[in-house]
Amino acid sequence: NAGVTQTPKFRVLKTGQSMTLLCAQDMNHEYMYWYRQDPGMGLRLIHYSVGEGTTAKGEVPDGYNVSRLKKQNFLLGLESAAPSQTSVYFCASRDRDLKNQPQHFGDGTRLSIL
Amino acid sequence: GDSVTQMEGPVTLSEEAFLTINCTYTATGYPSLFWYVQYPGEGLQLLLKATKADDKGSNKGFEATYRKETTSFHLEKGSVQVSDSAVYFCALSETGGYQKVTFGTGTKLQVIP
Repeated sequence: NAGVTQTPKFRVLKTGQSMTLLCAQDMNHEYMYWYRQDPGMGLRLIHYSVGEGTTAKGEVPDGYNVSRLKKQNFLLGLESAAPSQTSVYFCASRDRDLKNQPQHFGDGTRLSIL
Repeated sequence: GDSVTQMEGPVTLSEEAFLTINCTYTATGYPSLFWYVQYPGEGLQLLLKATKADDKGSNKGFEATYRKETTSFHLEKGSVQVSDSAVYFCALSETGGYQKVTFGTGTKLQVIP
């Protein structure tokens, strides 16, 4: 029952460094999402994908890039990390064809930028 | 655009007390409504959902009714337990497009013995 798996779980970066967060799902879901969670702000959508090879911007995309080369994986990249990107990042996936279904979440990646 | 407003926390209750967490929404069309729960160090998990007006979602003693006339989806539980301590998120989902989900800011619940 793996569901949605995020790696790494924790990471500390210095300003200007780059890194990639990996999200993998084993439910054959078409839709995948990246969110960031900050105190008092709930979850905000960074980027999303409606299928392999497609990506689109969410509400807070600046400073992030994504790729969906394989259906089961959705990568989130930070090219030049900034302290404002300190946050908890969640990946989620959802079936495209079943209506009114919830998103399935990973356990998150806690990222600190010094 | 769509929005979800839920009561600010934290909410502190004694074990076996009655719980209400208010949630109201604005949306175009006919969204589905959800409550998610987040335990410390974990991702969000679906608690319950309702997909049309007057539907009642329920799970683990929690209930919420989709009230279109008041655009509300309040979460209730008759008798909370220490194990219910978590952060609760109200959310709505569009049914078209990429099925965008809009989340509330979350309400932290602490239940004390």
